[in-house]
Parts: sequence; C-alpha cells; structure tokens
Amino acid sequence: KAGVTQTPRYLIKTRGQQVTLSCSPISGHRSVSWYQQTPGQGLQFLFEYFSETQRNKGNFPGRFSGRQFSNSRSEMNVSTLELGDSALYLCASGPSGGRNEQFFGPGTRLTVL
Amino acid sequence: AQSVTQLDSQVPVFEEAPVELRCNYSSSVSVYLFWYVQYPNQGLQLLLKYLSGSTLVKGINGFEAEFNKSQTSFHLRKPSVHISDTAEYFCAVSFYNQGGKLIFGQGTELSVKP
Repeated sequence: KAGVTQTPRYLIKTRGQQVTLSCSPISGHRSVSWYQQTPGQGLQFLFEYFSETQRNKGNFPGRFSGRQFSNSRSEMNVSTLELGDSALYLCASGPSGGRNEQFFGPGTRLTVL
Repeated sequence: AQSVTQLDSQVPVFEEAPVELRCNYSSSVSVYLFWYVQYPNQGLQLLLKYLSGSTLVKGINGFEAEFNKSQTSFHLRKPSVHISDTAEYFCAVSFYNQGGKLIFGQGTELSVKP
C-alpha cells in the first residue's frame, strides 16, 4: 500500500497570506489527523476528520481550518498567516482512530516570512 | 488534565550500550500508548504500541517498552544501540473515547556516539 502523502513538501509564504495543505491518506483509512510541529511547542494536535466530519479539535485559533472529502483526502487551511505559523505540518491517517496506530506522512514545511 | 512527559530531552550514549528513554503520562481515562521515531526531515514512524494485554511490548529495530499502570509510565528500552538509532523519539497517548487524537511528549533526542 502507498503511504500517506502530503503536498507540497515545502512552502514559503509571507505574513497575511493564506495557505492550503493537502493530505492523501492510506487507501481504506477514514481517519485523518493534522499536527503542527515546532521546536518550541513540539507536536500539537490540530484536528481530526473521520468520514468527512471533524471529530476532534485542538486548541488552535479559528485561522486554522480543515476539511475532508468523500475519498478521505483532507486539506488544511491557514488564513492570515503569522510568523509563528512557521512549522512542519504533519498529517496522519488511521483506520478508525483511537486504539489503532496512526500512520504519518513526511510533512509539509511551511515558512512564513 | 491529560499530558505526556518525557523526562529527558537529550540522551547521549555510546554504540552498543543499552538505553532507556523515559515516558510518564497523566490521564483519568484508559489510554493507548505509542512510541514513534523521527529521523531528520522525515515524518514519524511507529516503533511500538501498547493497547492491552501483556505489559511488555516489542517493536521494530530491537526496541521494547513496558507499561506500568501504577507508575503511569511507558519507558522505551534497547539493549544495544547502533549509530543508526540516532533520531528523535516521541512518546504518545490516545484515549479510547477520543478517536485518533494523539498527545505527544516533548521528544527525546537520542545521540549514539561511536
């Protein structure tokens, strides 16, 4: 099976812009989660989608949003970018979440100038 | 509050020596426990997981971990490390009623020296 894929792998944006990141889960997986990884805050949970519905949400401002399509692919959007949004954004997929392991993609490295 | 604490931010060790990376968690509900490894510029790879049953779990690359419910710990061990084990290691928990949400520790940077 192909692994979790994320596009693009690298992005450079300027403050105030918006960005959309994409994640294609492993075939058959219905749960997609997003995480932000920074040196200072570590790995933080953003949100999880399951069967096109947001099932869990972390403590991030409303500028961070996401959605999931019927084929389980997911997108994450960040509006009005701030310098502090520079991070590695990781996507993970799983069959149903919880006791099942999450499989991670390689991440999208976002740099905000 | 639910949290995960990795007690060491950096662990230097010589090749072929044993290593233990420590992880403690805090939760009022049942948890599932995971250890992930991250190599530079890559995503996270699952090393092992504890879901239920035997408290000693074995994973890939010779790693193992022991779940201790009374001490709320899930320490990762390897009897003999290799240079290639140099990476960052993350302990994580998920909760039976919270879907796929993982809470991670801050990570332990394992540095294996020749």
